[in-house]
Amino acid sequence: GENVEQHPSTLSVQEGDSAVIKCTYSDSASNYFPWYKQELGKRPQLIIDIRSNVGEKKDQRIAVTLNKTAKHFSLHITETQPEDSAVYFCAASKGGSYIPTFGRGTSLIVHP
Amino acid sequence: GAGVSQSPSNKVTEKGKDVELRCDPISGHTALYWYRQSLGQGLEFLIYFQGNSAPDKSGLPSDRFSAERTGGSVSTLTIQRTQQEDSAVYLCASSAKAANADTQYFGPGTRLTVL
Repeated sequence: GENVEQHPSTLSVQEGDSAVIKCTYSDSASNYFPWYKQELGKRPQLIIDIRSNVGEKKDQRIAVTLNKTAKHFSLHITETQPEDSAVYFCAASKGGSYIPTFGRGTSLIVHP
Repeated sequence: GAGVSQSPSNKVTEKGKDVELRCDPISGHTALYWYRQSLGQGLEFLIYFQGNSAPDKSGLPSDRFSAERTGGSVSTLTIQRTQQEDSAVYLCASSAKAANADTQYFGPGTRLTVL
């Protein structure tokens, strides 16, 4: 089955810095990669996703890049703000399988 | 509109007791998923429903765990003879259809503590 590794497990940055979280996956058939943000005590919420037919997608301060050859994808947050502090989860899924495989999460701490 | 809701929000039980956790998906969503999140861990898939049927139960940790869904809507996750290792947050999610690349909307979770 699919295996998703996520790094780092914890990331501490200063407000205004950029943050990058990387995930690798094992199944080359995976073609959908969502990212979820989970604030403390709250539910995970989708923040951005990417499909395997594109290499990059941006939404304001958030971007995701995908390298299919290397089987990794990354979340980039620019100009970080304290409200970006949360746990971020990546996931991978493929057609024919309705269950995404999640990474173990990255705790992002943005210091004011 | 209303999102996914779960009840209870917190449940404390004694080891050996049975518990029932409820999930109300977004109206009209045909797919429903149950996950378990232990402290500091990722999301562990338990089971998913397409309508009232559960094509994939592979994530259920043991035969003490079961789930059902009625009327294509509400789902109940039942844990029998609870153990301390069952303590976790149980999250439910729904999506419009069971399909790859279909956004999952999560509920707030039920925090289960087994003493």
